[in-house]
Amino acid sequence: QQPVQSPQAVILREGEDAVINCSSSKALYSVHWYRQKHGEAPVFLMILLKGGEQKGHEKISASFNEKKQQSSLYLTASQLSYSGTYFCGTERGYSGNTPLVFGKGTRLSVIA
Amino acid sequence: GAVVSQHPSWVICKSGTSVKIECRSLDFQATTMFWYRQFPKQSLMLMATSNEGSKATYEQGVEKDKFLINHASLTLSTLTVTSAHPEDSSFYICSAREPDVGNEQFFGPGTRLTVL
Repeated sequence: QQPVQSPQAVILREGEDAVINCSSSKALYSVHWYRQKHGEAPVFLMILLKGGEQKGHEKISASFNEKKQQSSLYLTASQLSYSGTYFCGTERGYSGNTPLVFGKGTRLSVIA
Repeated sequence: GAVVSQHPSWVICKSGTSVKIECRSLDFQATTMFWYRQFPKQSLMLMATSNEGSKATYEQGVEKDKFLINHASLTLSTLTVTSAHPEDSSFYICSAREPDVGNEQFFGPGTRLTVL
């Protein structure tokens, strides 16, 4: 079942913060976050596993609330390079051959 | 991280012809690869799961006879779009997971197919 992402689109000025949410109605094993630039393949950002963890590197971090089956991606002090479409991919279990089911994406535009 | 390659990166063909897209795992063996399709400004939609040495598993609504998948080795999966039509024009992306290493799913660079 496809996860639900919100917002669908957001416009930021450089230096502003943003939060992108990814929700599922089913219990999740993991949530994967990707960023895709126009005409390119998705680039991996991070994985969060059930157990309710939080991860981050530099100014991009994420959390996974297992009880709510929701993950949030936090972008702080945004840069122009952050522009793109952000996808969350989810899986309900892991067996080594489980594909990810992606949300519809959140289009982020950072302007000067 | 692991590397997945695709070839060709783009292809333009006439309606009615067949097109083969290759997906290779360059530095690991992938018993399973996944094929996604993405239309402009839309999400990645899973088409099929490719299993080495056995038949692919197709998602509901994906025509098996039109999108032929072959996973003949642990490093190569191919997607053949048979009798392509303009509505098949899309961005096709393959991905794979490296067993016993982690949960990350690695994506190839994608193949843009344009059918005239």
